[in-house]
Amino acid sequence: ETGVTQSPTHLIKTRGQQVTLRCSSQSGHNTVSWYQQALGQGPQFIFQYYREEENGRGNFPPRFSGLQFPNYSSELNVNALELDDSALYLCASSLAPAGGSLYEQFFGPGTRLTVL
Amino acid sequence: AQSVTQPDIHITVSEGASLELRCNYSYGATPYLFWYVQSPGQGLQLLLKYFSGDTLVQGIKGFEAEFKRSQSSFNLRKPSVHWSDAAEYFCAVFTGNNRKLIWGLGTSLAVNP
Repeated sequence: ETGVTQSPTHLIKTRGQQVTLRCSSQSGHNTVSWYQQALGQGPQFIFQYYREEENGRGNFPPRFSGLQFPNYSSELNVNALELDDSALYLCASSLAPAGGSLYEQFFGPGTRLTVL
Repeated sequence: AQSVTQPDIHITVSEGASLELRCNYSYGATPYLFWYVQSPGQGLQLLLKYFSGDTLVQGIKGFEAEFKRSQSSFNLRKPSVHWSDAAEYFCAVFTGNNRKLIWGLGTSLAVNP
């Protein structure tokens, strides 16, 4: 059984650029959640996708957007990058979102984004 | 508003010593509570979770946690720490609103040989 994978591992961008991060969910999982973890902080929920539709969103501006594909893999897109977007971006997959906590979220290793 | 507080930013213990990491939450309804561990370069791994029932829950790697509603706490414990337990530990609470996990700031654990 393949776990959650994320790509790339590291990324360096400059302010104003756009970035796409990718996540492959664990086999059999149909729900993907994205989190931002700034240095020294706990993860912050960005949004969740279930069956290709956004299924919940945290306090992030619209320039953070996402997609989920029919194979349940997902992308996180960030436009107009700002310095404060520098963080570890974590993807987590689970069997289902409803009562989401009842289904364990499995996390990928994350993508470290640096914005200069 | 829902929140999670981990009062200890950093803890150092000696190998073989007991460990308790504190977690307090603020949530109006019955909470779903979690402890995760994050090692450098690794994703977050679930140690244990509480949904209902027995307030003492057992997890992986010899960890346990006790839910105390009266104190709004969910402290993580281990009777004997191993050097490999050095990592960052996060407490989180699930909120039905927006289906999101709210996380504490984490406790960094160092283990002395």
